[in-house]
Amino acid sequence: AQSVTQLGSHVSVSEGALVLLRCNYSSSVPPYLFWYVQYPNQGLQLLLKYTSAATLVKGINGFEAEFKKSETSFHLTKPSAHMSDAAEYFCAVRTMNRDDKIIFGKGTRLHILP
Amino acid sequence: DSGVTQTPKHLITATGQRVTLRCSPRSGDLSVYWYQQSLDQGLQFLIQYYNGEERAKGNILERFSAQQFPDLHSELNLSSLELGDSALYFCASSEQIWDNEQFFGPGTRLTVL
Repeated sequence: AQSVTQLGSHVSVSEGALVLLRCNYSSSVPPYLFWYVQYPNQGLQLLLKYTSAATLVKGINGFEAEFKKSETSFHLTKPSAHMSDAAEYFCAVRTMNRDDKIIFGKGTRLHILP
Repeated sequence: DSGVTQTPKHLITATGQRVTLRCSPRSGDLSVYWYQQSLDQGLQFLIQYYNGEERAKGNILERFSAQQFPDLHSELNLSSLELGDSALYFCASSEQIWDNEQFFGPGTRLTVL
């Protein structure tokens, strides 16, 4: 069965520092992978997606993620954190089988320290 | 603003009651998905409808049901409510079946007392 694991339910970084949110996936077939962001009191919004094209995917708000098949990872990064990046981030995988659906990770709450 | 609307924004009710949550998808979107978000379970997929037909089921309890109407809006019915049903319920929509981007509504916060 396909799944995603997000390492760290809370991550704190200083403003201006590198943001790294970790996601590992499990899939028996080439996956489609996503990162969604949820700002306080809002629904989820797609940040970026990997659909078997370029392995380095650029998203909105300066975020990017790299698909690494050998490490079964799809970590999210941003070179310089901004206070407005404080939110919860969800990694997700599309199952792409008969029971096609998107499975979300538990989420990582990103805190930005001034 | 994703274009997906959900009503009500907040709902407070008692155990044993029944409630209906409403979702209007983005204009032109045929698929509607319902999710439950709670602190202990995270974001759980409940059910999907495509153009009025049930398309996929996730971790939806038998006490819960949903439907999608001809105008494509959807309702999620929760009955015999329990304390553990307190959660945020999100609706999302996409143009087709399991598009690679779903657009989420702002959610309905359900509190069962």
